[in-house]
Amino acid sequence: GDSVTQTEGLVTLTEGLPVMLNCTYQSTYSPFLFWYVQHLNEAPKLLLKSFTDNKRPEHQGFHATLHKSSSSFHLQKSSAQLSDSALYYCALRATSSGQKLVFGQGTILKVYL
Amino acid sequence: EAAVTQSPRNKVTVTGGNVTLSCRQTNSHNYMYWYRQDTGHGLRLIHYSYGAGNLQIGDVPDGYKATRTTQEDFFLLLELASPSQTSLYFCASSDRVEQYFGPGTRLTVL
Repeated sequence: GDSVTQTEGLVTLTEGLPVMLNCTYQSTYSPFLFWYVQHLNEAPKLLLKSFTDNKRPEHQGFHATLHKSSSSFHLQKSSAQLSDSALYYCALRATSSGQKLVFGQGTILKVYL
Repeated sequence: EAAVTQSPRNKVTVTGGNVTLSCRQTNSHNYMYWYRQDTGHGLRLIHYSYGAGNLQIGDVPDGYKATRTTQEDFFLLLELASPSQTSLYFCASSDRVEQYFGPGTRLTVL
């Protein structure tokens, strides 16, 4: 079946340093990939999606590139901010599954001064 | 902006108790979902629906029933609650691209 793996449960770094959160996936079909972000005591909300008319998806300084050869969709940002501290989920939607998403386990990002 | 509301926001019940969680969306979306969120497991799909009267089984359905009474309203039912169902429950609705989540219901089963 479809699955998403986020290898880091917790990433901690200093403000201003680059961010990279890993996401790999397994799917029989060519899936769409998403990043959702959840700040403390809030609901998850969409950050990025993999399909943007041939443009690299980018939002709030974050970007991600879908690499089908390595089945990856890593989330990156050149300079972390304190406000980026949150729980990040990578999710997959297989083209065969309608609107159903499969989420990874999530990665907590903590940014310090 | 999309609007998904959930009630109650917090619920405490005892083992064997009967619980109903409610979700309403005013987005005119066809799809609605129920998830549970647990540390180390992320968001796991319990049940979902693509319209009134429709129900699809999710990835962790055991112990849960759901019912979609209208396009707006989706209910999650725990008929014999167990401590393993203590969790944070999120409802969501979706258009063709994005899922919009409600604020969550924290359920504690003693």
